[in-house]
Amino acid sequence: LAKTTQPISMDSYEGQEVNITCSHNNIATNDYITWYQQFPSQGPRFIIQGYKTKVTNEVASLFIPADRKSSTLSLPRVSLSDTAVYYCLVGDTLPRAAGNKLTFGGGTRVLVKP
Amino acid sequence: NAGVTQTPKFRVLKTGQSMTLLCAQDMNHEYMYWYRQDPGMGLRLIHYSVGEGTTAKGEVPDGYNVSRLKKQNFLLGLESAAPSQTSVYFCASSDSAGNTGELFFGEGSRLTVL
Repeated sequence: LAKTTQPISMDSYEGQEVNITCSHNNIATNDYITWYQQFPSQGPRFIIQGYKTKVTNEVASLFIPADRKSSTLSLPRVSLSDTAVYYCLVGDTLPRAAGNKLTFGGGTRVLVKP
Repeated sequence: NAGVTQTPKFRVLKTGQSMTLLCAQDMNHEYMYWYRQDPGMGLRLIHYSVGEGTTAKGEVPDGYNVSRLKKQNFLLGLESAAPSQTSVYFCASSDSAGNTGELFFGEGSRLTVL
């Protein structure tokens, strides 16, 4: 499993864009990049997943450069409710038979201030 | 549709006692997982299952046992609890046919071992 490095914490203000970069230098060809969000006293929640280039959904965007050795999660116009821990996971979601054993690192603690 | 349900949500044990955490999912998922999360840390995989009747070890399996007798249930057992097992335990499930391998988490079970 590819090791990931992401900042321990980030502060932001309401309405700003938050960008969290995750480094994964030894990402393998079959690995996908997945981000989860965890609020206090809750289990993590899937945000977005990508393989290369850019992926966007209603919650966030994920930017992946051509070499795939890093990725950036972008949260547009954050609100107080976006205060959470964000985890970057890198791993193979295939083969299905082996199960999905993505490893959660320490995550990035994002604090959105008024 | 409840998703992933964990019981109990809170439990206090004395050292040496045994207990079982129950995880139930109603999404007909093949894969199920047990993680533990210590304060300020990420999640670490204890055991997982790729189908009814199968189990496998994760990162930190020592001191725990699991069983998957029914597809919808995944039990985590502590035979002789130790203070080092004080943690929040999260169960998750994922669909073998899904494209993203998205993990669906329960709300967690907070265990304190005195």
